[in-house]
Amino acid sequence: GDSVTQMEGPVTLSEEAFLTINCTYTATGYPSLFWYVQYPGEGLQLLLKATKADDKGSNKGFEATYRKETTSFHLEKGSVQVSDSAVYFCALSDRRNTGGFKTIFGAGTRLFVKA
Amino acid sequence: DTAVSQTPKYLVTQMGNDKSIKCEQNLGHDTMYWYKQDSKKFLKIMFSYNNKELIINETVPNRFSPKSPDKAHLNLHINSLELGDSAVYFCASSQGRAYTFGSGTRLTVV
Repeated sequence: GDSVTQMEGPVTLSEEAFLTINCTYTATGYPSLFWYVQYPGEGLQLLLKATKADDKGSNKGFEATYRKETTSFHLEKGSVQVSDSAVYFCALSDRRNTGGFKTIFGAGTRLFVKA
Repeated sequence: DTAVSQTPKYLVTQMGNDKSIKCEQNLGHDTMYWYKQDSKKFLKIMFSYNNKELIINETVPNRFSPKSPDKAHLNLHINSLELGDSAVYFCASSQGRAYTFGSGTRLTVV
């Protein structure tokens, strides 16, 4: 079945450091891939997405490229800020056999950014 | 305007009580969901409704009963609350593949 594996946290970085959070997936179909962010005390928010191979999603300085050959969708940011401290979830969405979509979320990676 | 709103935001109750959480979305989405998030932030799908029809019903104790009076509302009723039910419960909606989440209901059973 479909699955999403992301690196375990927490990840602790100093402000302005480079961020990579790894995400790999297995899927039987042609999924769309997503990164969601959850700030403390809030719900998940869509951060970026990519719908097909080689697409790059980007938002708020974050980027991720859909790599079909390595089944990966790693999240990167060139210079993190304290305000980026949050939990990041990788997810895939694939079509159901019975119609509609199913979404699989990774376990989440907590990021702490120190001033 | 809040897109997906849940009430209450916090709920503290004693074991054995019955409680409900309400969710409303004003996005016109066809599909709504309930997720449970544990203390390690792991998200578990509980239920999903599409146009008021139940389409996902994961392995959840039958003390949990969802109800969707119309496609903009999805409520969750929990009977005979147990300590292990303590968690954050999220409502979400979607039209297609991307989700919009509510801000969560933190349930604490004492």
